[in-house]
Amino acid sequence: KQEVTQIPAALSVPEGENLVLNCSFTDSAIYNLQWFRQDPGKGLTSLLLIQSSQREQTSGRLNASLDKSSGRSTLYIAASQPGDSATYLCAPYTGTASKLTFGTGTRLQVTL
Amino acid sequence: DGGITQSPKYLFRKEGQNVTLSCEQNLNHDAMYWYRQDPGQGLRLIYYSQIVNDFQKGDIAEGYSVSREKKESFPLTVTSAQKNPTAFYLCASSAAGVTYNSPLHFGNGTRLTVT
Repeated sequence: KQEVTQIPAALSVPEGENLVLNCSFTDSAIYNLQWFRQDPGKGLTSLLLIQSSQREQTSGRLNASLDKSSGRSTLYIAASQPGDSATYLCAPYTGTASKLTFGTGTRLQVTL
Repeated sequence: DGGITQSPKYLFRKEGQNVTLSCEQNLNHDAMYWYRQDPGQGLRLIYYSQIVNDFQKGDIAEGYSVSREKKESFPLTVTSAQKNPTAFYLCASSAAGVTYNSPLHFGNGTRLTVT
């Protein structure tokens, strides 16, 4: 059974800092991994999807990397802004029952 | 704008009553999903459907039922058999199954409270 861990559980940084969010998973036989953002009381917004054959995926100030063999992915946020404050979740997909397995997320607060 | 609409946003029910949560998408997506989110836990899959008139149980299907009569609609019924129904329910869709590297799109959720 796939287990997903996200560290840290919460993070507070001043505006402008570059930061890294970590995601580790136990079953490395994944097809892809998605990173999502969730604002309080809202649904999830897909940020990046990395296919198993890729090492990195970039969108604006976001960069996600994937090391499948070691069961790790990182989300790098450059020049953080208060609007980046949200919970970030990762979800690897192993092809079982067409489901993603979600981590519990990292709650990020970017302060002025 | 294309997207997923979940209604209502908040729902209150008495214990023992069945309740149906609505999910509609205009993204022309084939696959649709229902997840449950509880504090401190990751999202858990309740049911999913990859095509009209077909659906499969997820990890926590007991006490729930779904239908997929139309491509754009995937309602979820929370029955009285669900022992702990109070939660935040999220509907999602994807262009094809996750196997095809299609990102998931989510609605804004329905918060169900059963007393």
